Amino acid sequence: QKEVEQNSGPLSVPEGAIASLNCTYSDRVSQSFFWYRQYSGKSPELIMSIYSNGDKEDGRFTAQLNKASQYVSLLIRDSQPSDSATYLCAVNSPGGFQKLVFGTGTRLLVSP
Amino acid sequence: KAGVTQTPRYLIKTRGQQVTLSCSPISGHRSVSWYQQTPGQGLQFLFEYFSETQRNKGNFPGRFSGRQFSNSRSEMNVSTLELGDSALYLCASSITLAGGDEQFFGPGTRLTVL
Repeated sequence: QKEVEQNSGPLSVPEGAIASLNCTYSDRVSQSFFWYRQYSGKSPELIMSIYSNGDKEDGRFTAQLNKASQYVSLLIRDSQPSDSATYLCAVNSPGGFQKLVFGTGTRLLVSP
Repeated sequence: KAGVTQTPRYLIKTRGQQVTLSCSPISGHRSVSWYQQTPGQGLQFLFEYFSETQRNKGNFPGRFSGRQFSNSRSEMNVSTLELGDSALYLCASSITLAGGDEQFFGPGTRLTVL
């Protein structure tokens, strides 16, 4: 079982719709969870971090964390073509210092 | 505030050579982590440095090494290059916030081994 799992996609949504990206992780003691966006040929860009159960909203982005189910998700409201990218889920365990474990990423395509 | 900078941005080497990549973290960030990204393996952790000490190391052969200087700048070295070392090498610097640590990536160094 991979440490961090994501559906590779592509996930296709029309412009203006809600895109829902999901991620599961295997280490129950994981404490920190991150979503990165990576455009083709570019480096990952941090868009959300979440550390406690529940929802965290930032603009059009909402991260949701459920530690009991070992599940973290990212919702993108009013999706725009510029949101088309690969979204990487990353997990950091306590004692792991700055070692992030990444999923393989979900490719999101937003069509006009 | 300037972001993470990495040099060079592109490198072409041949098998057997060695290479040194450089990373300057965001001002005030003392932790620097290195990752390798390939299409097949995705993003994989190489190592992390804090205050000139390696705190964590990923599952890579000893050909991969790094160091950090007193000004937090970091270098990584790959010796005896292999074709499979062709990848995007990413450096990330981090800062501890109230809830946890966030890592910010540099633009990366694209290494091609021929």
